[in-house]
Amino acid sequence: AQKVTQAQTEISVVEKEDVTLDCVYETRDTTYYLFWYKQPPSGELVFLIRRNSFDEQNEISGRYSWNFQKSTSSFNFTITASQVVDSAVYFCALSENTGNQFYFGTGTSLTVIP
Amino acid sequence: ETGVTQSPTHLIKTRGQQVTLRCSSQSGHNTVSWYQQALGQGPQFIFQYYREEENGRGNFPPRFSGLQFPNYSSELNVNALELDDSALYLCASSLAWGRGNEQFFGPGTRLTVL
Repeated sequence: AQKVTQAQTEISVVEKEDVTLDCVYETRDTTYYLFWYKQPPSGELVFLIRRNSFDEQNEISGRYSWNFQKSTSSFNFTITASQVVDSAVYFCALSENTGNQFYFGTGTSLTVIP
Repeated sequence: ETGVTQSPTHLIKTRGQQVTLRCSSQSGHNTVSWYQQALGQGPQFIFQYYREEENGRGNFPPRFSGLQFPNYSSELNVNALELDDSALYLCASSLAWGRGNEQFFGPGTRLTVL
């Protein structure tokens, strides 16, 4: 079974629109960590955020915000006032406390149209 | 602070050949993980090395092997290459395994098997 599901394969928005990328995860661990990475066309995965399972506070960093809800096993990512430079593939990932690997979703390709 | 570097950037091999990919971890990081990312997919965990020993392995056959050196750099070796091995190979380093430490990724090696 897929541990991380990103149901949105591709999203296109017009510049300055807000966009939310969905992430649903599955784990039996009580302690786990969730991540978002950005992969621009160059290929390198860029770390955006880490959240542990005991901290459900939403987080805002500039135009980025994250909504973590354990009740629905979701960790959604919102970009406010999108810009062309936000165009990339975004991956959600899960790390369980008992293991040492990251489980990545299949990614959401975001295109911001000028 | 030097980030994660990988070499070569691109590589073309033929079926049945062997390949070695190299990774230098970020300064101060003692853990290196390798991932395979097929086109349009999320990264898949191959294995992890911690203090020169394999510290976990994903669902990859034994012809995928690795090494970690005393300076924490690492190699990924793939024997008897198959067409399906064509992918972007990503190396990631972290301070330690487990505990949800964020992994910092290199730019990847694009392997094409003909």
